[in-house]
Amino acid sequence: GAGVSQTPSNKVTEKGKYVELRCDPISGHTALYWYRQSLGQGPEFLIYFQGTGAADDSGLPNDRFFAVRPEGSVSTLKIQRTERGDSAVYLCASSLSFIDSPLHFGNGTRLTVT
Amino acid sequence: AQSVAQPEDQVNVAEGNPLTVKCTYSVSGNPYLFWYVQYPNRGLQFLLKYITGDNLVKGSYGFEAEFNKSQTSFHLKKPSALVSDSALYFCAVRDDNYGQNFVFGPGTRLSVLP
Repeated sequence: GAGVSQTPSNKVTEKGKYVELRCDPISGHTALYWYRQSLGQGPEFLIYFQGTGAADDSGLPNDRFFAVRPEGSVSTLKIQRTERGDSAVYLCASSLSFIDSPLHFGNGTRLTVT
Repeated sequence: AQSVAQPEDQVNVAEGNPLTVKCTYSVSGNPYLFWYVQYPNRGLQFLLKYITGDNLVKGSYGFEAEFNKSQTSFHLKKPSALVSDSALYFCAVRDDNYGQNFVFGPGTRLSVLP
């Protein structure tokens, strides 16, 4: 597969539980982004990685959200003590590191907190 | 900070007619502008981009967009709409004063009627 892969495609969890969402970017893409999309809205920026480091995490809503990219490839978005308001589609995208490079998106993980 | 507006939630056109989906933006530096399309239960797909040069850019599936600096607009167009063009369309901007973050508009739902 040459595209961005996100797993799982769907995740249902109970309020208060911990979840991990995984993103496998396109090979060779050093930039990786996480967005959150609620129904009827545009993607909302969460965090951006350049290589292994988080270059901009200003979009993370609070300290329950955390993301890592330890080897500069696969990334995991972690949400602690989930709340019903966290329910959304979480999108991952990757790109080359040029300012005119477009984002390439995965199909997203639909998270439902009951 | 950069921002994007898509003034129409919904656009309806008849098949074979020209279509326009509107986008306006606000940046402090130079804008890098992008259009994406989203089909149901899928991630966003890149359509086209404006970086510099010719104000009319051509992209995938017969779409084009016109950059207008004085009006800070980047409207998406297609001369003859197809029913298969029905989808959600997002405009996005990257401001070279603010690094690598992309900001997306709220989206416009395009319905092409047979």
